[in-house]
Amino acid sequence: DIQMTQSPSSLSASVGDGVTITCRASQGISYYLAWYQQKAGNAPKLLIYAASTLQSGVPSRFIGSGSGTDFTLTITSLQPEDAATYYCQKYIRAPYIFGQGTKLEIK
Amino acid sequence: QVQLQESGPGLVKPSQTLSLTCNVSGGSINSGDYYWSWIRQPPGKGLEWIGYIYYNGGIWDNPSLRSRLTITIDTSKSQFSLQLHSVTAADTAVYYCARAYSGWYFDSWGQGTLVTVS
Repeated sequence: DIQMTQSPSSLSASVGDGVTITCRASQGISYYLAWYQQKAGNAPKLLIYAASTLQSGVPSRFIGSGSGTDFTLTITSLQPEDAATYYCQKYIRAPYIFGQGTKLEIK
Repeated sequence: QVQLQESGPGLVKPSQTLSLTCNVSGGSINSGDYYWSWIRQPPGKGLEWIGYIYYNGGIWDNPSLRSRLTITIDTSKSQFSLQLHSVTAADTAVYYCARAYSGWYFDSWGQGTLVTVS
């Protein structure tokens, strides 16, 4: 199975900062990657699919990029409501594996 | 706007069967664009895809759970269900039902339900 590795596992940043989360696949997955945001006590929310396509209603400060094995989620101009755990997910074929998550704290 | 809602017991004894149902409203479970999914999250841990079912009954599942898994769909009731057999404490988790667009990414989720095996 293809494994997904996220880094860092946690990070802290201030309001207005920009941050980047990385997701690496153990094999090439083309652009078949999604990003989710999960706030404490809530279900995950789809942010980005096809590596870089923003889901409807998601703020444009969330930017996805990459293809093949290396992907990034960049959040520009952090807002307090961005505090959450972020997961990547590959969907080139079953089983559909998630990364282990990156917890973002807003100072 | 589609809504998904999980229901089922919150406590299951070891070796017994965990049974959950997801009710779909605000959208058609018969839509060929979507696959109806189960995903779980142990307390404090990450997300694990369990499997999904298509409106015609086709099933794709996680090989790690396949031997204990039953997923069914009742399109007349707009519901799909999960049964996980022979559970242990390791199956304690929040269980989510979700909708997968083209069987790819999960664009709508239920609120989740905590199932404890004890």
